Amino acid sequence: AAGVIQSPRHLIKEKRETATLKCYPIPRHDTVYWYQQGPGQDPQFLISFYEKMQSDKGSIPDRFSAQQFSDYHSELNMSSLELGDSALYFCASSLGLAGGFLDEQFFGPGTRLTVL
Amino acid sequence: AQKVTQAQTEISVVEKEDVTLDCVYETRDTTYYLFWYKQPPSGELVFLIRRNSFDEQNEISGRYSWNFQKSTSSFNFTITASQVVDSAVYFCALSVYNTDKLIFGTGTRLQVFP
Repeated sequence: AAGVIQSPRHLIKEKRETATLKCYPIPRHDTVYWYQQGPGQDPQFLISFYEKMQSDKGSIPDRFSAQQFSDYHSELNMSSLELGDSALYFCASSLGLAGGFLDEQFFGPGTRLTVL
Repeated sequence: AQKVTQAQTEISVVEKEDVTLDCVYETRDTTYYLFWYKQPPSGELVFLIRRNSFDEQNEISGRYSWNFQKSTSSFNFTITASQVVDSAVYFCALSVYNTDKLIFGTGTRLQVFP
């Protein structure tokens, strides 16, 4: 079965550089979520999109932006990178809030970002 | 506000032992969802179960079972006859009605020794 695809899997950047992470949801899934997991931490919700519109927003820094495209893939853009941005970034997809009932979120393998 | 507490930071057992991972949640919403995810050393998050707040039936799936008790706001996870491959970090998570985000607990690291 097709899973969530994230690219790249690993990324190394210098401070103050920019990074773009990509997420390709499971076919027919219309909702995409981004989470950030710092070392030894639990995943923290950043932002989500439903049908290309932002549906919820969590603790996402102003330096980060994201969008969902017409083919439902999503990109997380991160600018002015800081050492503290080093983390595992997960994308998840689901059928979202179908009738108000939350479908399970299926997670991609994650992108490990290291900021030097 | 919503919160998930996994008081057990790390548990070590020997293979074939049974182990229970505790999860306590807080929410004022009457409609919510509870989840368990497994994160093996390779790093991916693997979905294990979803339960909605109106379904207090316990569930068993192979060696895994879940005990949902609204009276104590707990959603505990038991692995029977643990195996080395069960070694991972296990996260309990909560989502309330009409929101997207998952609120994770801090996770419990389970180590199963041969």
